[in-house]
Amino acid sequence: DARVTQTPRHKVTEMGQEVTMRCQPILGHNTVFWYRQTMMQGLELLAYFRNRAPLDDSGMPKDRFSAEMPDATLATLKIQPSEPRDSAVYFCASGPPSETQYFGPGTRLLVL
Amino acid sequence: DAKTTQPPSMDCAEGRAANLPCNHSTISGNEYVYWYRQIHSQGPQYIIHGLKNNETNEMASLIITEDRKSSTLILPHATLRDTAVYYCIVRTLSTGNQFYFGTGTSLTVIP
Repeated sequence: DARVTQTPRHKVTEMGQEVTMRCQPILGHNTVFWYRQTMMQGLELLAYFRNRAPLDDSGMPKDRFSAEMPDATLATLKIQPSEPRDSAVYFCASGPPSETQYFGPGTRLLVL
Repeated sequence: DAKTTQPPSMDCAEGRAANLPCNHSTISGNEYVYWYRQIHSQGPQYIIHGLKNNETNEMASLIITEDRKSSTLILPHATLRDTAVYYCIVRTLSTGNQFYFGTGTSLTVIP
């Protein structure tokens, strides 16, 4: 049963620290999405990749967030420096082109 | 992508059918209707999608009206584990096209 995996599942850090979240998409999927979910804003798209190339990262605060795909099996989302308002659940999703997205379990981030 | 309208919450008795409505009156001809659900503290889970015809899988049935302006997700025999937020989304199948998740319907299955 192929699944999207995300690490870490939980992260508590202090304001100003760097946070790195990792995602392993389902093998064979060539689109990868990063979402953020908060109570106030719901699910928001931060960035997405196709064939490892970024297609849209307009949802990300550019000064502190960065997303990359070093290879087809790994996507990363970094926050540097982190702020308390970044506290949220971050989801990664993957999918074949033009089809259903499959979500990972999320990384729950708390910035103190 | 077209906007969707869903009731904020619904209750359903365990074992009964849960019928979740969705209005998408501005849907265009090439837009599909997707349903996802999110159980507390988990990632959104794909349920079903369709374009014009009714669809059924092991999880649910999707009924789309002939004019495609509304649809209903049917969980035939709701269980307590079906308690979740259900999202109705319309989108085209352009490569990389994102899903716009609204506020969804919070379904509570009552014992």
